[in-house]
Parts: sequence; structure tokens; C-alpha cells
Amino acid sequence: EAGVTQFPSHSVIEKGQTVTLRCDPISGHDNLYWYRRVMGKEIKFLLHFVKESKQDESGMPNNRFLAERTGGTYSTLKVQPAELEDSGVYFCASSQASSGRSEQYFGPGTRLTVT
Amino acid sequence: GEDVEQSLFLSVREGDSSVINCTYTDSSSTYLYWYKQEPGAGLQLLTYIFSNMDMKQDQRLTVLLNKKDKHLSLRIADTQTGDSAIYFCAERGNNDMRFGAGTRLTVKP
Repeated sequence: EAGVTQFPSHSVIEKGQTVTLRCDPISGHDNLYWYRRVMGKEIKFLLHFVKESKQDESGMPNNRFLAERTGGTYSTLKVQPAELEDSGVYFCASSQASSGRSEQYFGPGTRLTVT
Repeated sequence: GEDVEQSLFLSVREGDSSVINCTYTDSSSTYLYWYKQEPGAGLQLLTYIFSNMDMKQDQRLTVLLNKKDKHLSLRIADTQTGDSAIYFCAERGNNDMRFGAGTRLTVKP
């Protein structure tokens, strides 16, 4: 069974440009999460989808970030326009259920560098 | 400040025990987790402990939870070079998970 995959693995863009990150969760997982780790600091929650609906988007930093999960399968996270402080590693995770006992499976992350 | 705090670095010799410590702030956390991240890979769940437990052992891993002090530790017995990685402590309350900054464990031969 394929794990969580993320694309691209690394993206380098200039300030003001747009970048779209993609996450493909494990097949059958209704729950999809986005996290971000900035400059070696803690991993911070961004948002949580249940199927195609946003269950919790309290961690989204500002309106330059837009996450979608059309059809309840893969998800995209778009940053527009990108700022220097957006640099970091963006992780996606998926789980079957949303309870604490349900393991979240993480993808390898997308390293975003904004110059 | 951070909700979950960990020391950033730990270096041990192969065969020694490693102890990685973590403090958290949310007393309503129901689950506490340890994740491992190897270079170029995603986070791998190592183990978790429910908040009404004080210890959990799984082969070389021992998790200790002091709920009163909000302190969580991960002990790795007989540490091997393959254990070199970043270890993240995480807590989960009602909804989202909160992670620490990660402890980079270096195992010297």
C-alpha cells in the first residue's frame, strides 16, 4: 500500500510568486492534515480536512494560504503571493479516523524556499 | 512561547541509553506521541501513550509520563546508529496536534 506522497519534494521560488503544493493521502483515508515546520522550529498544525470539508483551519497563518481538497481525495495548498517567512517544510498527513488513537501517517514533506 | 518544549540536541555512544525529554502545557491532552524523522523521510509514529497511563514499554522504547509535571520522556535502550534521527514529541487535545521543535539524536560509534 502506498503511503502519503507529496509533490514537489523541494520548491524554490521568489518572493511574490505563487506555489502550489500537492498531497496524496493514503487511499481510503478521509482525514487529511497539513502542517508546517519553519526554520527548525516546532511543527505547527495548519488545517484538517474530513473528506472535502475543512474541519479545522485555525492554524492557517493568513489569507495568502488556500487549501483545497476537491472530491475528497488529494489536497493542494497554494501560497499566493509567497513571502520570505513562508519558507519551511510543509508536511501532509492522513488518517482513517480523527480520534487521537487513529495514527496519522505523514508524507516526506515539501521543502519550500522563498528567496 | 511554545506549547511543547524539547532540548534540540542529544549525543550518545552506540550501546548507551538515550533519554529524550519533553514538557507540554495543555493539561487536557489525551494522547502524547513520539515521532521519528529520518533524513529525507516523513514523520514515523514510534509510540504513543494515553494520558491516564504513566509508563509504556515497547521493545527498546520506554515512555514515561508525569502528568502532574506535564513531562514526557522517551528512553531508547541499547541505542544504535540507526536510531540517529530527529525525535518529535507531540500532544493532542480535542482537535489539533501540537509538536515540539524536535530533538536531534546523534549516535556515535
